[in-house]
Amino acid sequence: GEDVEQSLFLSVREGDSSVINCTYTDSSSTYLYWYKQEPGAGLQLLTYIFSNMDMKQDQRLTVLLNKKDKHLSLRIADTQTGDSAIYFCAAGFNKFYFGSGTKLNVKP
Amino acid sequence: GAGVSQSPSNKVTEKGKDVELRCDPISGHTALYWYRQSLGQGLEFLIYFQGNSAPDKSGLPSDRFSAERTGGSVSTLTIQRTQQEDSAVYLCASSPDAIAGGWPKNIQYFGAGTRLSVL
Repeated sequence: GEDVEQSLFLSVREGDSSVINCTYTDSSSTYLYWYKQEPGAGLQLLTYIFSNMDMKQDQRLTVLLNKKDKHLSLRIADTQTGDSAIYFCAAGFNKFYFGSGTKLNVKP
Repeated sequence: GAGVSQSPSNKVTEKGKDVELRCDPISGHTALYWYRQSLGQGLEFLIYFQGNSAPDKSGLPSDRFSAERTGGSVSTLTIQRTQQEDSAVYLCASSPDAIAGGWPKNIQYFGAGTRLSVL
């Protein structure tokens, strides 16, 4: 199966950009996703990128995909305290494989 | 409701008891998934239902775990003879398996989960 890895923690100051990284192993993954989980809540889909794309931008979110290195990143511009959460990347088609999540802490 | 609904939100049980966790998917979604999230861990795939096809049970950790989906809608995850290591948040997701609003057809929408504590 797929192996998806993320760094566990990221701390930034409010207003800075955050970059959360993810690596995966299965090059056949058709879609790659970013989910956000706030305390006590389920996972909220943030964005996705199709495997034939290099970049996708959606308001403050930018997803970059390096297929050669199997590396995915999520950049959050102008990070706000409300962005504090755990961010999961996921790869797969029907059966999703999730990373362990990156806990983003935004300091005021 | 408009989203995936799970019940109960919290369940405390004694070791050795059986528990049932319920998931109501988004109306019209044909695919349903169960995941387990242990403290500080990522999501572990358990089982996947797609329409009338045989479910993909490849993620179930032991034969104490089973799930069914009745009428292509509501699903129940059953854990028999619970153990302390079963303590986790159990998340359910559904997907439309059809392109809608430009989103991929396999987008998964998650419920808030059931937090299971086995004492």
